[in-house]
Amino acid sequence: GESVGLHLPTLSVQEGDNSIINCAYSNSASDYFIWYKQESGKGPQFIIDIRSNMDKRQGQRVTVLLNKTVKHLSLQIAATQPGDSAVYFCAENDNTGGFKTIFGAGTRLFVKA
Amino acid sequence: DSGVTQTPKHLITATGQRVTLRCSPRSGDLSVYWYQQSLDQGLQFLIHYYNGEERAKGNILERFSAQQFPDLHSELNLSSLELGDSALYFCASSPRGGAKNIQYFGAGTRLSVL
Repeated sequence: GESVGLHLPTLSVQEGDNSIINCAYSNSASDYFIWYKQESGKGPQFIIDIRSNMDKRQGQRVTVLLNKTVKHLSLQIAATQPGDSAVYFCAENDNTGGFKTIFGAGTRLFVKA
Repeated sequence: DSGVTQTPKHLITATGQRVTLRCSPRSGDLSVYWYQQSLDQGLQFLIHYYNGEERAKGNILERFSAQQFPDLHSELNLSSLELGDSALYFCASSPRGGAKNIQYFGAGTRLSVL
């Protein structure tokens, strides 16, 4: 069953198209920014991270872009597949007052076959 | 499979009751994190333990407490339960709690308070 019933921003894309998921973060002091994917009925799963001194990092079919000037993070998924349908969360690691990870609100990605 | 085990998968209880959620981290991971995921608030960080010691607290209610045992498993205790405590509770583990921190999440415990 569905693990989350949030009223999330939703992105609907056609299979094979590229997807771009955006996120605004709040803490300028965060050292790392991370994208997680959460499929229905499962816990979040690490996709890719980027250190704060970088502006781009590429993985397999995914690219993360970091714009510290406007505190914006994006995840690009190339050639989106039905298996990419999930909720995507950006997260920032906050080392102030002990170590914790702050998650964004999430974006639901629907991939149409 | 992330290697993080959470039990039970589902828990149904009544208001005012107390429950304990259990988490076994990945083998060798020293850090354990607890999160609450509810309908209207997304993933909320609750608490972080590293090798048995509390390292950080988030928006954790005083009715909630946690601990990490010498074998590194962790328990989250929720007491005087209210309807609003109904949520998914996730545990995650990582080798350490440093800046480059990739967390591995369990499948969660779904708590329903009736």
